[in-house]
Amino acid sequence: DQQVKQNSPSLSVQEGRISILNCDYTNSMFDYFLWYKKYPAEGPTFLISISSIKDKNEDGRFTVFLNKSAKHLSLHIVPSQPGDSAVYFCAASPGDSGYALNFGKGTSLLVTP
Amino acid sequence: GAGVSQSPSNKVTEKGKDVELRCDPISGHTALYWYRQRLGQGLEFLIYFQGNSAPDKSGLPSDRFSAERTGESVSTLTIQRTQQEDSAVYLCASNRQPLTGELFFGEGSRLTVL
Repeated sequence: DQQVKQNSPSLSVQEGRISILNCDYTNSMFDYFLWYKKYPAEGPTFLISISSIKDKNEDGRFTVFLNKSAKHLSLHIVPSQPGDSAVYFCAASPGDSGYALNFGKGTSLLVTP
Repeated sequence: GAGVSQSPSNKVTEKGKDVELRCDPISGHTALYWYRQRLGQGLEFLIYFQGNSAPDKSGLPSDRFSAERTGESVSTLTIQRTQQEDSAVYLCASNRQPLTGELFFGEGSRLTVL
């Protein structure tokens, strides 16, 4: 049962434009959310996180928005760069102690020059 | 080492054989996780260690899968009598405490069962 869903398997964006990656979740107990980025033949690396007490967290070009009522979060990358081309995984957990993250299937982002 | 180290990076085996995958977490990281990613799928949780004990084994898909961790460091994931559906990238991750948050992943071990 997929509790974290990334319904777009791929996304193509022009360099300099905004990339918006979406994620939906079904478990109302989730209260901590993360985005990971993965290049081919490498392990995922942590990008940005947000807890349920916030609705926005920003780190440089990356911003994550959380809409708890809709059980939806999104990652915005502005401006997009070719080096951002990677697979982005959304992850969620129901607490902060010993819970394994639930990952989505990932969205492959391609930023074209 | 500086990061999570996994070996082998690639393993091709015949159906029915046993395989062992090894993970060296970052020094000082007490929590260790195994995930796997099958083709076209997301990361699937397998097992979590806090120190040498495994409070959460709920993700192990069958009794052919087992894992152990010794000395709060190295972990070994063993798959017995491998099946073709076991083919996947097996990822190990660690962090300092058993808290969710930033997991540090290794590069993974790609297992192909023929």
